[in-house]
Amino acid sequence: DAGVTQSPTHLIKTRGQQVTLRCSPISGHKSVSWYQQVLGQGPQFIFQYYEKEERGRGNFPDRFSARQFPNYSSELNVNALLLGDSALYLCASSWDPNEKLFFGSGTQLSVL
Amino acid sequence: AQSVAQPEDQVNVAEGNPLTVKCTYSVSGNPYLFWYVQYPNRGLQFLLKYITGDNLVKGSYGFEAEFNKSQTSFHLKKPSALVSDSALYFCAVRDIPSNTGKLIFGQGTTLQVKP
Repeated sequence: DAGVTQSPTHLIKTRGQQVTLRCSPISGHKSVSWYQQVLGQGPQFIFQYYEKEERGRGNFPDRFSARQFPNYSSELNVNALLLGDSALYLCASSWDPNEKLFFGSGTQLSVL
Repeated sequence: AQSVAQPEDQVNVAEGNPLTVKCTYSVSGNPYLFWYVQYPNRGLQFLLKYITGDNLVKGSYGFEAEFNKSQTSFHLKKPSALVSDSALYFCAVRDIPSNTGKLIFGQGTTLQVKP
């Protein structure tokens, strides 16, 4: 079975641009979470979606938004990129919000 | 607020020796604790979790963790380290009050196993 897949794997943007990151969960998983991992730190929670509804949001500005589609895949959007948004963005899926998370390999975003 | 701390940035151990990676937690209520491992250019992989029950939890790849309520610790252990165990290890606690499944991660500990 395929694991959690994320695209693209790497992305380079300039300040002020917008970016969309995509995630396909493991088949049958209805919960998708997004985390930001800055170099040298642990992942920080951004969003969780379950059954296409937002279940939780971390301490991130409104420039960050996400959605989950009927097939349970998800997109993370970041507007007006800042240098500090450079990070590894991880998507994780699970059977339900309280089960263990299965992580994708991430999208490495560089903002220049 | 829920939090975890990993006091060591790096742990060095010789292959074949036992290893311990430390984690302490601060929670309100019962802790739901996890260990994940991250290899270079990869996402996080689940190792084990503690929710309730035996204080010694067995996980993947021969790892285990010991839950100690009085010391609020959840240290990761392995009896005999392998060079392939070299990676970045994260302790995490589930943020129960938020009811979102959100995990709060520690800063991570780099494990270096030398042959």
